[in-house]
Amino acid sequence: AQTIHQWPVAEIKAVGSPLSLGCTIKGKSSPNLYWYWQATGGTLQQLFYSITVGQVESVVQLNLSASRPKDDQFILSTEKLLLSHSGFYLCAWTGLGGLAEQFFGPGTRLTVL
Amino acid sequence: GNSVTQMQGQVTLSEEEFLFINCTYSTTGYPTLFWYVQYPGEGPQLLLKVTTANNKGSSRGFEATYDKGTTSFHLQKASVQESDSAVYYCVLGDGQGGRALIFGTGTTVSVSP
Repeated sequence: AQTIHQWPVAEIKAVGSPLSLGCTIKGKSSPNLYWYWQATGGTLQQLFYSITVGQVESVVQLNLSASRPKDDQFILSTEKLLLSHSGFYLCAWTGLGGLAEQFFGPGTRLTVL
Repeated sequence: GNSVTQMQGQVTLSEEEFLFINCTYSTTGYPTLFWYVQYPGEGPQLLLKVTTANNKGSSRGFEATYDKGTTSFHLQKASVQESDSAVYYCVLGDGQGGRALIFGTGTTVSVSP
């Protein structure tokens, strides 16, 4: 069975500080991977997706970047956090093309002060 | 462009009442449609999926029918329980490369005992 893990579970960071969030998928080779951001009380907004190692496509520019260093790992980062980065960050995977359902991780709650 | 509209932001019910959540979509072609459910502090999880091939989906007592004529994909359940309290998202799979999922704004369902 496939499992998806996100770290950390929660972060409290200062404005202007760097950030790195991680996501790992086990039990699935060559998944499509996705990062989403969800403001408190809001809907999900897709940020990035990756179809293969080393390739990441940006969907929405929020002064964030993403990388896929390994087949099972997806990293979201920034060098300088903004207040507007606060929210819930979700990683998701799918094993097929664009019409398949996505499976979401447990999320990381980020608070920027 | 592709979009999903959920007009009901909040639905409040008592147990055993009928639930109906309205969803309409806009796209070209024949997309796959999903309903996701999100409980507090968790990532969304797939509730059901419908394609043009089967037109109707059901899961855990919930049903949704894909109506291409009215471009609607309403969710319903005959008798809700308190455990159904959650946020429900209507989601369009637009199949464009890796972007894949477009989320509606969500409907918060609150069921009281």
